[in-house]
Amino acid sequence: EAQVTQNPRYLITVTGKKLTVTCSQNMNHEYMSWYRQDPGLGLRQIYYSMNVEVTDKGDVPEGYKVSRKEKRNFPLILESPSPNQTSLYFCASSGEYTEAFFGQGTRLTVV
Amino acid sequence: AQKVTQAQTEISVVEKEDVTLDCVYETRDTTYYLFWYKQPPSGELVFLIRRNSFDEQNEISGRYSWNFQKSTSSFNFTITASQVVDSAVYFCALSELEYGNKLVFGAGTILRVKS
Repeated sequence: EAQVTQNPRYLITVTGKKLTVTCSQNMNHEYMSWYRQDPGLGLRQIYYSMNVEVTDKGDVPEGYKVSRKEKRNFPLILESPSPNQTSLYFCASSGEYTEAFFGQGTRLTVV
Repeated sequence: AQKVTQAQTEISVVEKEDVTLDCVYETRDTTYYLFWYKQPPSGELVFLIRRNSFDEQNEISGRYSWNFQKSTSSFNFTITASQVVDSAVYFCALSELEYGNKLVFGAGTILRVKS
């Protein structure tokens, strides 16, 4: 089954404690992105990758890092989380001319 | 810059009513894709439709239909005979192939269907 898998689904953490949200896709897609969803703002792109070892900033990259060492994986790293990073996060993958497939989302709370 | 506007923040209807969700977009590209996604209360994003900028034919899928009008930069979504299970947040989005197939989303429309 074609899917994008994110973990964890829910996470509560404290300010400053480094965390990683994993994302894996099994569709051999070149494109992967991370989005955050906030009320009234829709989803906004944080980072994207167009292939292995190729990553770039999206619209709201501050406070986040990513890596793309393998085609299937695209982890999102928060080196020092802050309360304004409390949000719902989605990983997405797509082929060049396909729709984006989204993971189930990770609800992050930073206290 | 590309932009998607969903002016309706929230819509409430009674079951079996028809409802139209509006979407207006801005882009300087001649080639682009438009999408609708549904987000039910469980939170996942469900793909509904993709339309490319060269195909202005309207599309119908069961109770769902989409009206794409390039002249007004609109891509509206109509649900006919709404059902309680249609209650969700609906997002319209525009893609930018240049930025990793980036999707530019509207703010979303909350649809509440009451029985």
